[in-house]
Amino acid sequence: EDQVTQSPEALRLQEGESSSLNCSYTVSGLRGLFWYRQDPGKGPEFLFTLYSAGEEKEKERLKATLTKKESFLHITAPKPEDSATYLCAVESRTNAGKSTFGDGTTLTVKP
Amino acid sequence: DGGITQSPKYLFRKEGQNVTLSCEQNLNHDAMYWYRQDPGQGLRLIYYSQIVNDFQKGDIAEGYSVSREKKESFPLTVTSAQKNPTAFYLCASSIGGEQGARETQYFGPGTRLLVL
Repeated sequence: EDQVTQSPEALRLQEGESSSLNCSYTVSGLRGLFWYRQDPGKGPEFLFTLYSAGEEKEKERLKATLTKKESFLHITAPKPEDSATYLCAVESRTNAGKSTFGDGTTLTVKP
Repeated sequence: DGGITQSPKYLFRKEGQNVTLSCEQNLNHDAMYWYRQDPGQGLRLIYYSQIVNDFQKGDIAEGYSVSREKKESFPLTVTSAQKNPTAFYLCASSIGGEQGARETQYFGPGTRLLVL
């Protein structure tokens, strides 16, 4: 069974204070790992897809990295508008066509 | 402008009543999905469809039903058998991507279902 664990559950940062969110996963053959951003009361917005260990992707203040057991979402010099819940999901070769989601990390950035 | 629409935004269900949530996409995506999200939790898969006229149960399909008669539409019915339907329901669709991964999913705005 595919499993995804995100930590911490909640993270409070001051504006400009860089940090990282963790996504640990257990799958039988990773097909893809996905990061989404979700604002309250809205649908998730796609951020990144990572396919293999060592891969990195960046978008503005966000950078996602992947190892064989976990992924990190690094947030550099965050701004209040980065406040949201960040969701991690995986798709495995044994469950192709389905994603398993973690419970998310709620990030609050204070000015 | 391409995207996924869900309606209604809010839906109220009475005891013993079946209700249907609408999901339409104009992205020409093959696959569509329904998820349920409870407060403070991630998304749990209810049903998914990878092609018209075919769909599979997800992890929490009991008390729900779907149809996929058209590529752009994937309605979800919450039946009276679903005893705890209050939740935020999200529809998504996906395209085939790099290395064949299909799960880069694009989400609709969601429907919040409440029980009267």
